[in-house]
Amino acid sequence: DTEVTQTPKHLVMGMTNKKSLKCEQHMGHRAMYWYKQKAKKPPELMFVYSYEKLSINESVPSRFSPECPNSSLLNLHLHALQPEDSALYLCASSQVYVDVTGELFFGEGSRLTVL
Amino acid sequence: DAKTTQPNSMESNEEEPVHLPCNHSTISGTDYIHWYRQLPSQGPEYVIHGLTSNVNNRMASLAIAEDRKSSTLILHRATLRDAAVYYCILRETNMNYGGSQGNLIFGKGTKLSVKP
Repeated sequence: DTEVTQTPKHLVMGMTNKKSLKCEQHMGHRAMYWYKQKAKKPPELMFVYSYEKLSINESVPSRFSPECPNSSLLNLHLHALQPEDSALYLCASSQVYVDVTGELFFGEGSRLTVL
Repeated sequence: DAKTTQPNSMESNEEEPVHLPCNHSTISGTDYIHWYRQLPSQGPEYVIHGLTSNVNNRMASLAIAEDRKSSTLILHRATLRDAAVYYCILRETNMNYGGSQGNLIFGKGTKLSVKP
């Protein structure tokens, strides 16, 4: 199983809502990532978790709150988002974080629309 | 982060070879060259990576210049399914926890169109 599964595939939310994006992998990977991709732009790194601990936060606003409850699961909690936060949110995993020869496996993404 | 430069777009004919160039003149000696691609409506997928020597796998070949300031991704026979955005990315070996070095940081990439 080389899949990274993201749910939901599509999410529409208002600016006052609280919602969560979920990402799951069963490859035994110990590094997990959140990327944000706006239309026709490259993915931008948001967060990196290594062994369930937050290693990198790329100055992401606090209205995005990541959580890694166990080695297979990564959540992104969303609260008080702005319309400009509408984007494709991509989750990825890799065997370990510090191996720069390692491959990242990406999910298909969750497309978020903020009204 | 080390930077790469790629053409914005390229066109290819189906079943012909495609050579996708990437310039990385500021590459350091221990930076790995990675290629990912993103098909429409999908997440990025790994294609290939290398350090100094040319590399081959089932998807593509990677040709690295002797001075390592450029590289070329070669698709030997393009298919319609190869139409995607191809990203050339440098990953720095000097990774420290708490720093961003070595992370997979995407540039603009090359949009490859394949004509039947």
